[in-house]
Amino acid sequence: EIVLTQSPGTLSLSPGERATLSCRASQSVSSSYLAWYQQKPGQAPRLLIYGASSRATGIPDRFSGSGSGTDFTLTISRLEPEDFAVYYCQQYGSSPPFTFGGGTKVEIK
Amino acid sequence: QVQLQESGPGLVKPSGTLSLTCAVSGGSISSSNWWSWVRQPPGKGLEWIGEIYHSGSTNYNPSLKSRVTISVDKSKNQFSLKLSSVTAADTAVYYCARDPTVTQAFDIWGQGTMVTVSS
Repeated sequence: EIVLTQSPGTLSLSPGERATLSCRASQSVSSSYLAWYQQKPGQAPRLLIYGASSRATGIPDRFSGSGSGTDFTLTISRLEPEDFAVYYCQQYGSSPPFTFGGGTKVEIK
Repeated sequence: QVQLQESGPGLVKPSGTLSLTCAVSGGSISSSNWWSWVRQPPGKGLEWIGEIYHSGSTNYNPSLKSRVTISVDKSKNQFSLKLSSVTAADTAVYYCARDPTVTQAFDIWGQGTMVTVSS
């Protein structure tokens, strides 16, 4: 099983600041199959990034993804008030096909 | 646009079977997508349970495989989850989601339904 470790667990930032979230895999992950999600309290997750760097439909360009192999990054260039949420990475690969990271909470400083 | 809606009992007794259905609207379940179930215990992260294709092919999380059955009903445009021998550890919000074969990322989610396992 590929384990995804997200860091930091919590990120305390102010609106307008840049957020950098990390997702590290225990084994190499195909860049084609690394995704990022945003989840707000009481809501379902929302797909932000797929294929490591492709933005999903309707996602603002302040969200960007990068990385390859075992190290992937989600960057939010300038935090808007609605961006404070929990973010998860997810990979598709070997058994089980899908695994998620433990999440990073981005909170208002 | 495609929408997903979960339904089913919100309370299941220990050792019983959890049964949920996901209705697909605005599109066909026979499109080139897999259809998944994902759960989230209160205050915790996301766990993938399993998926099904309209042909009936399935994949399950090995940690749950012995207790999970996912089926599809193309005539009703819906798919279903059964989880047997439930315990309190199965208490969670259960989501259904679409994962296109091209991206293998969950691009459409249902709103989720809370299932509590308790006597």
